Amino acid sequence: QKEVEQNSGPLSVPEGAIASLNCTYSDRGSQSFFWYRQYSGKSPELIMSIYSNGDKEDGRFTAQLNKASQYVSLLIRDSQPSDSATYLCAVNSYGNKLVFGAGTILRVKS
Amino acid sequence: SAVISQKPSRDICQRGTSLTIQCQVDSQVTMMFWYRQQPGQSLTLIATANQGSEATYESGFVIDKFPISRPNLTFSTLTVSNMSPEDSSIYLCSVLTSGGINEQFFGPGTRLTVL
Repeated sequence: QKEVEQNSGPLSVPEGAIASLNCTYSDRGSQSFFWYRQYSGKSPELIMSIYSNGDKEDGRFTAQLNKASQYVSLLIRDSQPSDSATYLCAVNSYGNKLVFGAGTILRVKS
Repeated sequence: SAVISQKPSRDICQRGTSLTIQCQVDSQVTMMFWYRQQPGQSLTLIATANQGSEATYESGFVIDKFPISRPNLTFSTLTVSNMSPEDSSIYLCSVLTSGGINEQFFGPGTRLTVL
């Protein structure tokens, strides 16, 4: 059973701080990793994808991948109240299928 | 990214009935998927919709309960058959666009309530 684990939170950070979201996965053969943001009542929105070990930056977002430790993280710099949402970690399984974690609720307090 | 629409956006249905959900994409896509998101939970893949052939279902999901069609590269339907209150969920289609990047994008979802 391929699994993706996330801390459900909620993770509370003050406005302007760095939010750090973590995810571990069980399938060592996984090659692609994604972070989705989901606002309440909305569908998931892709915000980051990462395929190689190391860091990938896009604006205020940085994804980090460590395949040896089977660990993916998402850093959000200068957190804003509009970043408050559920963040879903997804791992690409066989045949482009995605396995999702349960999601971490992020609350950014102004 | 592709523009994805779903119909209906929400519905309230009686138990024992069936509902067909449509997913339309504004461009041809290589793969289409159907997911379910039960209240307060994450997403679970129901099946891969294959163009011109039978869908590929994940463990725990069967064709009789969730028949899927994909007549072309821009359109798919998911039917939820013989519904029970346990089928109350958000149903989402996603697409994998061409170009060698395996990123999936989701439609707006269909919120289904079964009474």
